[in-house]
Amino acid sequence: SQQGEEDPQALSIQEGENATMNCSYKTSINNLQWYRQNSGRGLVHLILIRSNEREKHSGRLRVTLDTSKKSSSLLITASRAADTASYFCATEKNQPGGGNKLTFGTGTQLKVEL
Amino acid sequence: SQTIHQWPATLVQPVGSPLSLECTVEGTSNPNLYWYRQAAGRGLQLLFYSVGIGQISSEVPQNLSASRPQDRQFILSSKKLLLSDSGFYLCACLRGGFYGYTFGSGTRLTVV
Repeated sequence: SQQGEEDPQALSIQEGENATMNCSYKTSINNLQWYRQNSGRGLVHLILIRSNEREKHSGRLRVTLDTSKKSSSLLITASRAADTASYFCATEKNQPGGGNKLTFGTGTQLKVEL
Repeated sequence: SQTIHQWPATLVQPVGSPLSLECTVEGTSNPNLYWYRQAAGRGLQLLFYSVGIGQISSEVPQNLSASRPQDRQFILSSKKLLLSDSGFYLCACLRGGFYGYTFGSGTRLTVV
């Protein structure tokens, strides 16, 4: 089953606008990560926020985490056409038998139009 | 930095045929390795992960199996493919710290 659910499923904005994507999850986590996937390609890690952090910035990206609500948001500021991609949140958790497991949400398809 | 090699990029196989997808990792030792499958327009489903040679954890019952014969080699296999095995298969490696996971470029498998 999917640990994370993103909304919206699809988002279309104009270049220069901000894009906000949300993610909810169900269990306790070590950290939450956001990934980007261009069509038909592998995933690229964008940013990681630990469970004891509330907000993190990286360039035009801003991530928030609310562990009491089990939710996170990804904000992309001043969007560009090149930001067009699918964005996934993923939660990481230690496994009893060793190792970590990364569980993905369903993704948000972002389209940035000129 | 870590690099993941996956091949082939695309594969068309008939129902009932065997499958072997290989993933190799460079730039790290004793990595945690993962196989994911992505259905069209969907999120990623974790299939298998491995914390070391010969150690495989299976996440979902399925027609596939995984093996880790060497430290930096992770293989996804099937003896007889089903139509439902079609999808985009991604290998990933845990980088640790604030760097998340590194993903390979994926194999698009179509079972016909």
